[in-house]
Amino acid sequence: GAGVSQSPSNKVTEKGKDVELRCDPISGHTALYWYRQSLGQGLEFLIYFQGNSAPDKSGLPSDRFSAERTGGSVSTLTIQRTQQEDSAVYLCASSSNEKLFFGSGTQLSVL
Amino acid sequence: QQQVKQSPQSLIVQKGGISIINCAYENTAFDYFPWYQQFPGKGPALLIAIRPDVSEKKEGRFTISFNKSAKQFSLHIMDSQPGDSATYFCAARVPRGYSTLTFGKGTMLLVSP
Repeated sequence: GAGVSQSPSNKVTEKGKDVELRCDPISGHTALYWYRQSLGQGLEFLIYFQGNSAPDKSGLPSDRFSAERTGGSVSTLTIQRTQQEDSAVYLCASSSNEKLFFGSGTQLSVL
Repeated sequence: QQQVKQSPQSLIVQKGGISIINCAYENTAFDYFPWYQQFPGKGPALLIAIRPDVSEKKEGRFTISFNKSAKQFSLHIMDSQPGDSATYFCAARVPRGYSTLTFGKGTMLLVSP
């Protein structure tokens, strides 16, 4: 595809349920990032994948959050036992150099 | 600990005016300072970026001014237009391959017609 694709665009879930968010990066981009955007809180780094290196998980807020990147391409961010404070826009970005290309995000609402 | 502090939180400018957004940082290891622009419902997109070896970079109506000694950088939008109304994020990066960007909290700019 021409850009970073994220799905679903919107997700409404009940507190305590698990959710999976998907990111399809730009073909050939070796770096993939997940950020979380909450109202008034800017962009919060979650996790970073670079090629075959171990991911940088330093931004994950709790052990309920995890992410995988299969085959160096598609990534899935999983949130287990969702809480209301997890409600936010989850943004994925990919890059081949310094410039990050962001998807449009997944709006997650936890009721 | 917020590594990049951005101000103001929101800004209203008249059409044709100059919009100025400021950022300050503490980590002197930062070596790359981009600005991203975000429209509602979209992801941020790179607008302009600067490295600390220059004091100013201009692209069209957008200029970054960089003050290394003060550890500050700012975005100036000349002749602001209603289409510039968006949220702007400054960011900074520590050199480590394609390492992660640390973002400011954003500035909501509204350019009134």
